[in-house]
Amino acid sequence: GAVVSQHPSRVICKSGTSVKIECRSLDFQATTMFWYRQFPKQSLMLMATSNEGSKATYEQGVEKDKFLINHASLTLSTLTVTSAHPEDSSFYICSASDRDRLYNEQFFGPGTRLTVL
Amino acid sequence: QKEVEQNSGPLSVPEGAIASLNCTYSDRGSQSFFWYRQYSGKSPELIMSIYSNGDKEDGRFTAQLNKASQYVSLLIRDSQPSDSATYLCAVKAKTGGYNKLIFGAGTRLAVHP
Repeated sequence: GAVVSQHPSRVICKSGTSVKIECRSLDFQATTMFWYRQFPKQSLMLMATSNEGSKATYEQGVEKDKFLINHASLTLSTLTVTSAHPEDSSFYICSASDRDRLYNEQFFGPGTRLTVL
Repeated sequence: QKEVEQNSGPLSVPEGAIASLNCTYSDRGSQSFFWYRQYSGKSPELIMSIYSNGDKEDGRFTAQLNKASQYVSLLIRDSQPSDSATYLCAVKAKTGGYNKLIFGAGTRLAVHP
């Protein structure tokens, strides 16, 4: 149990385009989903927390108009990187918290590697 | 002071030995602690969670928690080359009504044959 999928796994796009990344909890309902970014040889950086049916909470320094998050259902959250630039190239990882688990462990998706040319 | 601190390593151990990974945290009110393993180029994978003082064992892994000392550790017995990865310590924090994880920078473990 506790499987999280992400799509696409890898995307290459031109500067100025927008990219949408999907995160799905496959076998549990996730009230809360989290979006992280990780640059090479660095630790995870939390970008935002999203709760189903409400606006996402962004971490300090993360532009909410650039990184649009939608959490429309208990199994799906999307991250859209708008007007992507080369500095947005990174490994984007989502995680989901299983609301039926007592301690709300977070389970991670496999990640999406974004390269902006 | 960082909220969750780990030695970056690399920690190098021979195959079959015990690997000991350590983590300290600053928020005395923290209640939930997690160890994740991350292979290079992959996403983190939850391997242990611990909430009470003492030891918790799962196969070759043992998590140890000492809330008074604000210290959590992970022991890996009979280390294998396949255990070579970065191990992330995470502490649950409640901020603004939401639970989120505060991650350490990770300790890189290298198990050599």
